Amino acid sequence: DAKTTQPTSMDCAEGRAANLPCNHSTISGNEYVYWYRQIHSQGPQYIIHGLKNNETNEMASLIITEDRKSSTLILPHATLRDTAVYYCIVRVAGDNQGGKLIFGQGTELSVKP
Amino acid sequence: NAGVTQTPKFQVLKTGQSMTLQCAQDMNHNSMYWYRQDPGMGLRLIYYSASEGTTDKGEVPNGYNVSRLNKREFSLRLESAAPSQTSVYFCASSGRTGQSGYEQYFGPGTRLTVT
Repeated sequence: DAKTTQPTSMDCAEGRAANLPCNHSTISGNEYVYWYRQIHSQGPQYIIHGLKNNETNEMASLIITEDRKSSTLILPHATLRDTAVYYCIVRVAGDNQGGKLIFGQGTELSVKP
Repeated sequence: NAGVTQTPKFQVLKTGQSMTLQCAQDMNHNSMYWYRQDPGMGLRLIYYSASEGTTDKGEVPNGYNVSRLNKREFSLRLESAAPSQTSVYFCASSGRTGQSGYEQYFGPGTRLTVT
């Protein structure tokens, strides 16, 4: 699975959009981009994933560049409850190798009032 | 629908003691995983089970054994606990949803301290 690079930490004002970048320059054609977050002391929570098209769900939007070497997770109206560590992970589709995830250090997002 | 449950929530062991961490899921998922998370670090995969009856090593399997008891349950055993195994342990499961699917659902974690 390809490696990812994320900023260590970011701040965001409550109510504003939080844009979390991720670089994955060695991503392969069959690898998806997944985002998870971990609120303090809890288990990680799935947010969204995509292959090459932009994706949106009730939690967030995922923008993937045309060359697929980077992506941005967007939380459109950040709240204090969005304060968490956000992990960007790339992995092959399907159940290959049991679908295991390789977690990096992630980005610690602090949403401030 | 409880999702992924783990027991116990907290445990303190003395060096050399053994224990089993229990995990169960009610989502009919094929795959289950055990991760550990040390302070300030990301999660690291210990073992996983792609289907009932199969298990495979992850990144950090040394000092652990696992059992996929049935489709629902996946246990992690520490035969002789060491202080280096002090960590938070997360169990997860995944199953096919949509085109790529396989998003993982995590339990609340077991906080283990080995003295």
